[in-house]
Amino acid sequence: GENVEQHPSTLSVQEGDSAVIKCTYSDSASNYFPWYKQELGKRPQLIIDIRSNVGEKKDQRIAVTLNKTAKHFSLHITETQPEDSAVYFCAATGNQFYFGTGTSLTVIP
Amino acid sequence: DGGITQSPKYLFRKEGQNVTLSCEQNLNHDAMYWYRQDPGQGLRLIYYSQIVNDFQKGDIAEGYSVSREKKESFPLTVTSAQKNPTAFYLCASTPDRSHGYTFGSGTRLTVV
Repeated sequence: GENVEQHPSTLSVQEGDSAVIKCTYSDSASNYFPWYKQELGKRPQLIIDIRSNVGEKKDQRIAVTLNKTAKHFSLHITETQPEDSAVYFCAATGNQFYFGTGTSLTVIP
Repeated sequence: DGGITQSPKYLFRKEGQNVTLSCEQNLNHDAMYWYRQDPGQGLRLIYYSQIVNDFQKGDIAEGYSVSREKKESFPLTVTSAQKNPTAFYLCASTPDRSHGYTFGSGTRLTVV
């Protein structure tokens, strides 16, 4: 099955700085890579996704890049704000969704 | 709740008791999933169902059971065989593997 690794597990940045979270996957057949944001005590919510035929996707301050050859994808948040503080999960699809272990992001005002 | 509803929001279970968590969706999604989340941890798959009357075990199915008698409903029973059931339980659905999950708001289960 798929194995998704996510780094770092915790990340603290100053407000206005950028944050980068990286994930690697093992199954070359995986073709869909969503990212979820989970605020404390709440459900994960999809914030951006990318498919294997695309190398990069942006949505305002959030971007995701995918390197199929190296089997890794990354989430980039620019101009971070305190409300970006949350746990972020990456995922890759094989026969099911395989989630990374999460990154706790803290944006310091 | 975005088309997928979990109930109850909080649930307390006594030792040796079975409890059932409800998950209902009106999104017409074929696939439904149950995940367990422990404090500060990631999401671990308990069971999933890709079609009515069919379901598969996930990574931590022991002590849990499910049914999928209707497309809209995927209840999870936490049995007395699950020795450490205190956790946050999340139900999710998706039309297929090329789309992201929609999650329910979760049920927080506590053993008392």
